Amino acid sequence: DADVTQTPRNRITKTGKRIMLECSQTKGHDRMYWYRQDPGLGLQLIYYSFDVKDINKGEISDGYSVSRQAQAKFSLSLESAIPNQTALYFCATSDQDANTGELFFGEGSRLTVL
Amino acid sequence: GIQVEQSPPDLILQEGANSTLRCNFSDSVNNLQWFHQNPWGQLINLFYIPSGTKQNGRLSATTVATERYSLLYISSSQTTDSGVYFCAVSTGANSKLTFGKGITLSVRP
Repeated sequence: DADVTQTPRNRITKTGKRIMLECSQTKGHDRMYWYRQDPGLGLQLIYYSFDVKDINKGEISDGYSVSRQAQAKFSLSLESAIPNQTALYFCATSDQDANTGELFFGEGSRLTVL
Repeated sequence: GIQVEQSPPDLILQEGANSTLRCNFSDSVNNLQWFHQNPWGQLINLFYIPSGTKQNGRLSATTVATERYSLLYISSSQTTDSGVYFCAVSTGANSKLTFGKGITLSVRP
């Protein structure tokens, strides 16, 4: 079983619908992240959380929200999905500051907004 | 913010060939990682290498932090090495990882 699990792995939805992507980890890491990847590009940080009570915006947080339900769970929500949010989304964890700690990724969630 | 440039952007190899992938960065870093994204989209950690040299099987990596570059070496390439290779770095306290745009590698049988 993967250490960082994302659900769903694939989702097709319509404009205006609310979507939640969930991430759970068994690595015991405090720090969790949500990234977005668009075709032909690298990854961009949406939100990150250093512990259960800490939530921080990344470089592209507009249109997204997150919830850190427990140390092991970090979910990403799109309140009203739009077509340009079609992308591959990754959850990641690290056991210390991402400056010095190694980052581990989930398998990705492919979202298509029609 | 820090700039990350990877080269070459695309690389086509015959199975069995060796290759070198380069990552240049514009500032001092305290974290550098190499990832392989396979054709199914999965991101696989290859190396955590803010400095020095590491080897793992046919792959090895070297980061020369003072000169702001890192190299990923692939020897005796296989078709399963195909995919996109990303370099990601961070600098300073509480800083996010910044990704390069990746190098697309195709290994032909």
